[in-house]
Amino acid sequence: GAVVSQHPSRVICKSGTSVKIECRSLDFQATTMFWYRQFPKQSLMLMATSNEGSKATYEQGVEKDKFLINHASLTLSTLTVTSAHPEDSSFYICSARSGLWDYGYTFGSGTRLTVV
Amino acid sequence: RKEVEQDPGPFNVPEGATVAFNCTYSNSASQSFFWYRQDCRKEPKLLMSVYSSGNEDGRFTAQLNRASQYISLLIRDSKLSDSATYLCVVILMDSSYKLIFGSGTRLLVRP
Repeated sequence: GAVVSQHPSRVICKSGTSVKIECRSLDFQATTMFWYRQFPKQSLMLMATSNEGSKATYEQGVEKDKFLINHASLTLSTLTVTSAHPEDSSFYICSARSGLWDYGYTFGSGTRLTVV
Repeated sequence: RKEVEQDPGPFNVPEGATVAFNCTYSNSASQSFFWYRQDCRKEPKLLMSVYSSGNEDGRFTAQLNRASQYISLLIRDSKLSDSATYLCVVILMDSSYKLIFGSGTRLLVRP
C-alpha cells in the first residue's frame, strides 16, 4: 500500500532554532500534502495544504512565516518551524493525497517536537 | 461551534461489551465521512468509511444520517485491542479535499 515516510520521528531543539520535518511518499505521487498539528488530548488541527509546485494555503491563525512549507516535488514536502518556541511543542503529522484515487489519504508516522 | 463534534469520553467498558460513539457535523456541504482510529502517540489510521446506507466491517458498524448531520460507530464484542481514540472525520464538498477531524472519543476496554 501507499507509504509516507516522515522524519524525524522525534526532535528536541532549543528555543529560537529552526526545525525541518520531511515527508516523503515512497510509492506514489503526492499531489497534495496536508500538515496537521496535534496538542495533547486534542484532535488534529489542519495547519496548511500544499500542492506540488504551488504555494501552500494556510489555515486561519497559522503563521505562514513561522511554518514554512515546501512541496517542490511530487514525492517530498517539508515543514520548517522557524524560531521555535516552547509553545510550538506538539505532534506534527503530514498526510498525502494522490490524485489517482479519491479520498485516499496516507499519513506519515508523525514528528514529536519538543522545544526547550 | 466546532465543525465536527464528538463526546471525548472516555468510555470505559468490559471486554465483550457493545459500545456506540456519536458524532455531529455542522457543515451541510460535508461530502464524505470516515472513522479513524488513533493509538497514543501514533498517526491516525482509517477504520472505515461511512455511507448513508450504513456499512459493516466485522464487529464495526457505521451509520450516517445526513438529515440530522449525525454519524455513528458501533463496536460489538469489544476487545482489549480496541482501546484507542476514535476520530470522526468529514471532507467538505469543495476542491480542497481537506480532512476535518473531530476531537476524538477515547475508548478503554478493560479485562
